[in-house]
Amino acid sequence: DAKTTQPTSMDCAEGRAANLPCNHSTISGNEYVYWYRQIHSQGPQYIIHGLKNNETNEMASLIITEDRKSSTLILPHATLRDTAVYYCIVRGNFGNEKLTFGTGTRLTIIP
Amino acid sequence: DAGITQSPRHKVTETGTPVTLRCHQTENHRYMYWYRQDPGHGLRLIHYSYGVKDTDKGEVSDGYSVSRSKTEDFLLTLESATSSQTSVYFCAISGGRGHAFFGQGTRLTVV
Repeated sequence: DAKTTQPTSMDCAEGRAANLPCNHSTISGNEYVYWYRQIHSQGPQYIIHGLKNNETNEMASLIITEDRKSSTLILPHATLRDTAVYYCIVRGNFGNEKLTFGTGTRLTIIP
Repeated sequence: DAGITQSPRHKVTETGTPVTLRCHQTENHRYMYWYRQDPGHGLRLIHYSYGVKDTDKGEVSDGYSVSRSKTEDFLLTLESATSSQTSVYFCAISGGRGHAFFGQGTRLTVV
């Protein structure tokens, strides 16, 4: 499985865009980039995923570099409820469905 | 929310006793996962299943066994619980190309 590297922690002012980076330099061609977050002690919550194109949904945007070796999760207007640990995961499909988490980025939204 | 239920939600048990945690899904998803989460660590994969009676080890499988005799249930067994297995356990399900859904967790304390 491809490994991911994320900063341990980040702060962001409330109302500003939060940009969370992730490096996945060993990603292979059929592996997707997934983002999850975990608020306090709840189960992780899916945010977004992509293969090579940029993606956007109601929660966030995902920007994947052209070489696919890194990506950025963007929360466009961070609120206090976005304070959580954010996990970037690389996951294959069609027989390689292992879902392995790293230690993630602890994002704190500052009022 | 996806139909995934973990039971029990909380359990206290004595060292050396067997413990079984249950993950039940109503989504008919193929993939199921068991994780543990400890302070200072992210989620660590214990075992996962890619179909009925098809399971594989994760990164922290020692001391744990699993069984999946039908699609909807994935059981995690601690044959002889130890204090080092005190943790929060999360189950997750996935249909394959889609993302994973997580349960609310089981807090296990071994005394």
